Amino acid sequence: DIQMTQSPSSLSASVGDRVTITCRASQGFSNYLAWYQQKPGKVPKLLIYAASTLQSGVPSRFSGSGSGTDFTLTISSLQPEDVATYYCQKYNSAPYTFGQGTKLQIK
Amino acid sequence: EVQLVESGGGLVQPGRSLRLSCAASGFTFDDYGMHWVRQAPGKGLEWVSGISWNSGSIDYADSVKGRFTISRDNAKNSLYLQMDSLRAADTALYYCAKGDRVLDYWGQGTLVTVSS
Repeated sequence: DIQMTQSPSSLSASVGDRVTITCRASQGFSNYLAWYQQKPGKVPKLLIYAASTLQSGVPSRFSGSGSGTDFTLTISSLQPEDVATYYCQKYNSAPYTFGQGTKLQIK
Repeated sequence: EVQLVESGGGLVQPGRSLRLSCAASGFTFDDYGMHWVRQAPGKGLEWVSGISWNSGSIDYADSVKGRFTISRDNAKNSLYLQMDSLRAADTALYYCAKGDRVLDYWGQGTLVTVSS
């Protein structure tokens, strides 16, 4: 099975910073990659699918890129409400494995 | 408005069984695949199982294969997860999620605690 590894596991950044989270797959699978945001105590929310397509209603400061084995989630200007744990997930075929998560905090 | 409401969680002894349900509304249930995802306390998300719109395709994580059974009743707009031979490691918040493969709506979850 394909393993998904996110880096870093946690990071702290200042409001207004550009933040990048990386997700690496143990084998390539085109662009069948989604990103989810889970705020503390809340339900996960879909941010991006097909590696770079923004889900409806998601702020444009979020963007995704990548294909094959290496993917990134970028927040262009960090806002206080972006404090959350972010997960990538592969969905080319089962099992639809999640990365271990990246916890984002405000410095 | 899409709503997914899970139920059936609770405290159960190791080796026993539990059946989770997810009641769906606000969308055409039988147009979409559905999934179960779990989250152990303080841990990350773990995909558990998925079922296609017509139950023709069913998949499981290796960690639950042979012990859990996913099913759906399109007439009742409901998704189920039969969990047998439960282990302490199955303790988690279990989410029901809508989507063929991309999970665009999630329920609030139902907590399953496996302990003697």
